[in-house]
Amino acid sequence: TQLLEQSPQFLSIQEGENLTVYCNSSSVFSSLQWYRQEPGEGPVLLVTVVTGGEVKKLKRLTFQFGDARKDSSLHITAAQPGDTGLYLCAGAPGNQFYFGTGTSLTVIP
Amino acid sequence: DTAVSQTPKYLVTQMGNDKSIKCEQNLGHDTMYWYKQDSKKFLKIMFSYNNKELIINETVPNRFSPKSPDKAHLNLHINSLELGDSAVYFCASSQGRRPGHEQYFGPGTRLTVT
Repeated sequence: TQLLEQSPQFLSIQEGENLTVYCNSSSVFSSLQWYRQEPGEGPVLLVTVVTGGEVKKLKRLTFQFGDARKDSSLHITAAQPGDTGLYLCAGAPGNQFYFGTGTSLTVIP
Repeated sequence: DTAVSQTPKYLVTQMGNDKSIKCEQNLGHDTMYWYKQDSKKFLKIMFSYNNKELIINETVPNRFSPKSPDKAHLNLHINSLELGDSAVYFCASSQGRRPGHEQYFGPGTRLTVT
C-alpha cells in the first residue's frame, strides 16, 4: 500500500465528458500538489492546495482539498484531448515528499 | 532555454556496466532531486541535495551514488547495473529544501539494462 492512493488508475473517456480523479491517504498533509505528466516529459505542477476544504480552479480543472487534509480530488469539466496525460498528486506528511500512484487519462476525440 | 536538462535522454547498456546521468538546472534553485519512475509509472524520490549537501537518501542500493559539483548540477552514477535498474530517471529542482515547494522536472532519462 502506497502513502497516496489514486483512483481510478486508468480512465478513458470521450471528448466533452466530465471526470473526477481521487487522491486518498490515511496521513494528514500540510499541503497537496497536483502534477500532470505528458508522455516523454517530466511532471509539471498544476496546483498546490493548502487549506482544508480549499477549492481551486484552473480553467476547466477544479481541485479540492479534503476538510481533514487527508485527501484531494481533481475534477475536469468537458475534457479535451489535450488533457490526456498522467495525473499525479503529491505531498509531504513530514519531511519526506511522496507522489501518488497516478491516474492515466486518455481523452478520445 | 531549457530549465532542467538531463543527458542522455536514452541509455541502453548491459548488466554489470557502470553509467552516469547528468543533470543541470538554470533556474538558480538551491535544491535538486533524483527520482525513479518504474514501469507502472510510480515516481519515487531517491536523493535530494540542498546547496550541494545530501539531505534525503532513500533506501536505494549503494550502487547509486549522486554527485553535486555545484548548486546547478546533480549527477547520478550507477555501478554494476542490474536488470531491475531499468526505469525512467528524472532530475528535478526547487527553491528551498522544505518538501512541498514547486519542483521543476527534467525530461527524464530512459535507462534500459539488457
